Amino acid sequence: DTGVSQDPRHKITKRGQNVTFRCDPISEHNRLYWYRQTLGQGPEFLTYFQNEAQLEKSRLLSDRFSAERPKGSFSTLEIQRTEQGDSAMYLCASSPGQGVTGNTIYFGEGSWLTVV
Amino acid sequence: RKEVEQDPGPFNVPEGATVAFNCTYSNSASQSFFWYRQDCRKEPKLLMSVYSSGNEDGRFTAQLNRASQYISLLIRDSKLSDSATYLCAVNRAGNNRKLIWGLGTSLAVNP
Repeated sequence: DTGVSQDPRHKITKRGQNVTFRCDPISEHNRLYWYRQTLGQGPEFLTYFQNEAQLEKSRLLSDRFSAERPKGSFSTLEIQRTEQGDSAMYLCASSPGQGVTGNTIYFGEGSWLTVV
Repeated sequence: RKEVEQDPGPFNVPEGATVAFNCTYSNSASQSFFWYRQDCRKEPKLLMSVYSSGNEDGRFTAQLNRASQYISLLIRDSKLSDSATYLCAVNRAGNNRKLIWGLGTSLAVNP
């Protein structure tokens, strides 16, 4: 399977703990995105990478959230001191970044976070 | 006004029916438009991009109306398996990297 992969798929954690999610984008895609989605809502943009550079970060993202893409390939999203409001599905997506379909994004299966 | 708006539904239709959804956007300079399908507790999956000339893929037809600033999705001969939430996404003008999403329209196709 050469699609976007995310790990873990499900995570249950206690409030105050740190969690980290990993995303492996489609191999030839140089853009990588993180979104968050709760039930009944559309995906909410968190941050975006062009290769290894983090070019944009949502103002909704608190300082407890940090994302990296150190070698321009896989990415990690870390949430520190989790709160119950962080419970959501965290979606990673990638896009080619060039060509006619450069803006078309493809999602991974998501990582479900439950903070108890 | 939200940047991208959809009627949340739900749309309940019988098998074989034709159903259409609209999605309005507020920024007239938006350039890229997409329809995604999302099943319950799954990730959104690309259904089709929406081109200026309109495009068709089997039973699905997408149209763009720039004058009225909306895109549409038409599903003909609905199948039970079409039951899902349909999300529209529009790029923010001047920022092709980020898509703005509607909340989705829920479709239930009944036997």
